[in-house]
Amino acid sequence: GQQLNQSPQSMFIQEGEDVSMNCTSSSIFNTWLWYKQDPGEGPVLLIALYKAGELTSNGRLTAQFGITRKDSFLNISASIPSDVGIYFCAGRGGSQGNLIFGKGTKLSVKP
Amino acid sequence: KAGVTQTPRYLIKTRGQQVTLSCSPISGHRSVSWYQQTPGQGLQFLFEYFSETQRNKGNFPGRFSGRQFSNSRSEMNVSTLELGDSALYLCASSFSSLGDTQYFGPGTRLTVL
Repeated sequence: GQQLNQSPQSMFIQEGEDVSMNCTSSSIFNTWLWYKQDPGEGPVLLIALYKAGELTSNGRLTAQFGITRKDSFLNISASIPSDVGIYFCAGRGGSQGNLIFGKGTKLSVKP
Repeated sequence: KAGVTQTPRYLIKTRGQQVTLSCSPISGHRSVSWYQQTPGQGLQFLFEYFSETQRNKGNFPGRFSGRQFSNSRSEMNVSTLELGDSALYLCASSFSSLGDTQYFGPGTRLTVL
């Protein structure tokens, strides 16, 4: 079945640093989504990507849909303590297919 | 606009019991999907309901079932609970189909003892 590899698994960074994480798929996806999850809460949608090559920003967050349609990355610039959490990528292969999630990247930010 | 709501937020059950979880989607959303989240397996798709019909199903045993009502609210049922069913169960709603962007509720934390 389809698999998503998300890396890194965890990151420990200093406040103010930039962060980059990515996901790769074993097959082509038509949609890439990035979510953030805080402890005890459900994932919150950060950015949605629907077209190969698409680059979308949401404040300090920027995500891109890879040209090969098998990867996506998320960048966070000038990190702040509230960026702490687990970031998930999710992809969908067809318009009616279910979402496949990566295992998450746990971000820790030192003030 | 209110977000996705799930009840209860926390639940403790014992092996062999059954449990019913509830999800109310965002107003106007007609599709509801259910996911199981565990530390080992991550987020895994259970099933999706649209207009009271199950449209898509993940690889879970028949002990996991669900339904959707005419007001789009959905319930998920797990029968004969096992220890491995302990997880965070998340509900997500979208406007019309899995192809639309999904918005998640806060989840129900189920602990099976």
